[in-house]
Amino acid sequence: AQSVTQPDIHITVSEGASLELRCNYSYGATPYLFWYVQSPGQGLQLLLKYFSGDTLVQGIKGFEAEFKRSQSSFNLRKPSVHWSDAAEYFCAVGQDTGKLIFGQGTTLQVKP
Amino acid sequence: EPEVTQTPSHQVTQMGQEVILRCVPISNHLYFYWYRQILGQKVEFLVSFYNNEISEKSEIFDDQFSVERPDGSNFTLKIRSTKLEDSAMYFCASSEPGRRADTEAFFGQGTRLTVV
Repeated sequence: AQSVTQPDIHITVSEGASLELRCNYSYGATPYLFWYVQSPGQGLQLLLKYFSGDTLVQGIKGFEAEFKRSQSSFNLRKPSVHWSDAAEYFCAVGQDTGKLIFGQGTTLQVKP
Repeated sequence: EPEVTQTPSHQVTQMGQEVILRCVPISNHLYFYWYRQILGQKVEFLVSFYNNEISEKSEIFDDQFSVERPDGSNFTLKIRSTKLEDSAMYFCASSEPGRRADTEAFFGQGTRLTVV
C-alpha cells in the first residue's frame, strides 16, 4: 500500500539557519509528490510538486525539494529560515485518481 | 486570487446530531474532495466527487457520510449522526479538470468539528 512517512514530528531551528524536512514514500510507480504548508488558521497551501524531469524542484517562499528515487525520499529544504516559516508541513503522494496520501506532518518552530 | 472557502470555521455539535459542512470550491474546478485530520493524526482522504457523483471514497466514508453539490457553487459534507470520533478538522479541496494525479488541489482553511 502507498504511504508517506515524515520521521520528524517536531523540529526547532533558529532564524537564519538552514532547514531540511524529511519525507519518505512508498509507491510502486513514479510518484507524484507534493509538499504543503499549513499556517495557523489557514488551509493547506502548496509549496511545490514533483512529477518528472529535474529532480530538484523549486517552490514558493524560497523552498526547494529533491526527489531521490534510490532513497524513496523527497526532502524539503530552505537555506535560511524566517520566523514566518513556523507552520506545519505535509508531504503527500498523489494517486491517479487525484487522491492525496499525506504524511503525518512536521511542525516547524523557529527560534529568534 | 481564487480560493476555496469553508463554513463554518468551527462547529460544536452534540453526539447523534446531524451536521453539514459547507464548501465553495474555486469556480472553474471540476474535482472536489473532502479530507479530515483528527487531532495529532494524519490528514486522511474521505471522498472525491466529479460529474455529480462520488468517484472514490475511503473506508472512513461510511453510510453516515454523504456529499452533495446542491447548486453550481456549493459542495457539502453531511454527517447524519455524529459520533465523538468524528471530531476533527475537515478540509475541502478542489482541482481543475485535467490529469488528476499531477493537478494541484487547492484547500480551504478547514472546519473544526467538535462533537460533545
